[in-house]
Amino acid sequence: GAVVSQHPSWVICKSGTSVKIECRSLDFQATTMFWYRQFPKQSLMLMATSNEGSKATYEQGVEKDKFLINHASLTLSTLTVTSAHPEDSSFYICSASEGPNTEAFFGQGTRLTVV
Amino acid sequence: QKEVEQNSGPLSVPEGAIASLNCTYSDRVSQSFFWYRQYSGKSPELIMSIYSNGDKEDGRFTAQLNKASQYVSLLIRDSQPSDSATYLCAVKGRRGNNLFFGTGTRLTVIP
Repeated sequence: GAVVSQHPSWVICKSGTSVKIECRSLDFQATTMFWYRQFPKQSLMLMATSNEGSKATYEQGVEKDKFLINHASLTLSTLTVTSAHPEDSSFYICSASEGPNTEAFFGQGTRLTVV
Repeated sequence: QKEVEQNSGPLSVPEGAIASLNCTYSDRVSQSFFWYRQYSGKSPELIMSIYSNGDKEDGRFTAQLNKASQYVSLLIRDSQPSDSATYLCAVKGRRGNNLFFGTGTRLTVIP
């Protein structure tokens, strides 16, 4: 299957700081990327859908001003957690697909710990 | 009502047995269904996809879909200790490629 690379795989930051997570499709052009969050022992919850060159669509309850998503190219999307708080500590996972009817592939995930 | 529901388990089976994992979904018009395996601390990996009613087999894995009952299952034959993981059922949403995930079933295969 196609390769999606997510970086960093883990990060620890102080409360109030911002953290950027990158998601890259290495061998295909991703017109759509998805960002999920997974708390311990819970399932993946979709945060937002981003399409290259347009604004992301956020799921209900997800603050778009706190979780900034940029999808400026067909191979890169970034999620920035602004003014991070301990309750933002979670496993963040991206997935990418070439188009609406194609399979989506997951990145390795980023473990964020806010202290 | 949750979009996708799974029995959270844990489910324990002896090595060599058949593990049966079940999932129901709420959106009757859903057309695409997936089973992912997730090891602790890792990202999900796709095991099976199924789109039409009936069975789909791939090696030791068989996915079963019954759209009338809104039910999807995954059978793992000859279970191995390496199959111990959380299995996530996912259903593609109406908007693009977004997936709705169940809470996952934790499977333990006992040697």
